[in-house]
Amino acid sequence: GAVVSQHPSWVICKSGTSVKIECRSLDFQATTMFWYRQFPKQSLMLMATSNEGSKATYEQGVEKDKFLINHASLTLSTLTVTSAHPEDSSFYICSEGRGNQPQHFGDGTRLSIL
Amino acid sequence: GESVGLHLPTLSVQEGDNSIINCAYSNSASDYFIWYKQESGKGPQFIIDIRSNMDKRQGQRVTVLLNKTVKHLSLQIAATQPGDSAVYFCAENMGGGGADGLTFGKGTHLIIQP
Repeated sequence: GAVVSQHPSWVICKSGTSVKIECRSLDFQATTMFWYRQFPKQSLMLMATSNEGSKATYEQGVEKDKFLINHASLTLSTLTVTSAHPEDSSFYICSEGRGNQPQHFGDGTRLSIL
Repeated sequence: GESVGLHLPTLSVQEGDNSIINCAYSNSASDYFIWYKQESGKGPQFIIDIRSNMDKRQGQRVTVLLNKTVKHLSLQIAATQPGDSAVYFCAENMGGGGADGLTFGKGTHLIIQP
């Protein structure tokens, strides 16, 4: 069964609004979770590393004030897309890091900004 | 290295035949490699992984080969089935599965013909 749960799976909202996406680790206390973005027919791109109890680490070119990450507990990381615009429309996917074990991914959140 | 492509390569195989999906990576410091399967609208699903101290690893119907000299990774799927239709991504990082964010390859769309 699924070990990482994302919510919502699909969201449509107006330009200028903020959207929060949740990523839950169902069977593991994940001190580290990762957020990726995937545009249609393209590969996944790492956006940031979410660290429980501390600030997230963002990849080059990813605006930290645009994509707010909060990892307040060992089972929940959230990604908030602030003041979303149509170019932010994408598939956002999270994964959990378990030491030397493979990363397990959630089923993603499809974000559409009108 | 850069891993995003604008077009997904396609591999079409007959049901029952073996499939070989190739991947080139650019970071010679990477020591962990992993293959994922992604079905439409879902997150990546773990298939098999391999560390840099190995050159071959087998799973159920799948084999991963690693050639560090030419920085090449391949996934072999035996007796391909309709359910194998998906996009396949290779990914890499340094330090192991959950230690760091993954850099994904461009992906290959595997199509199974009856």
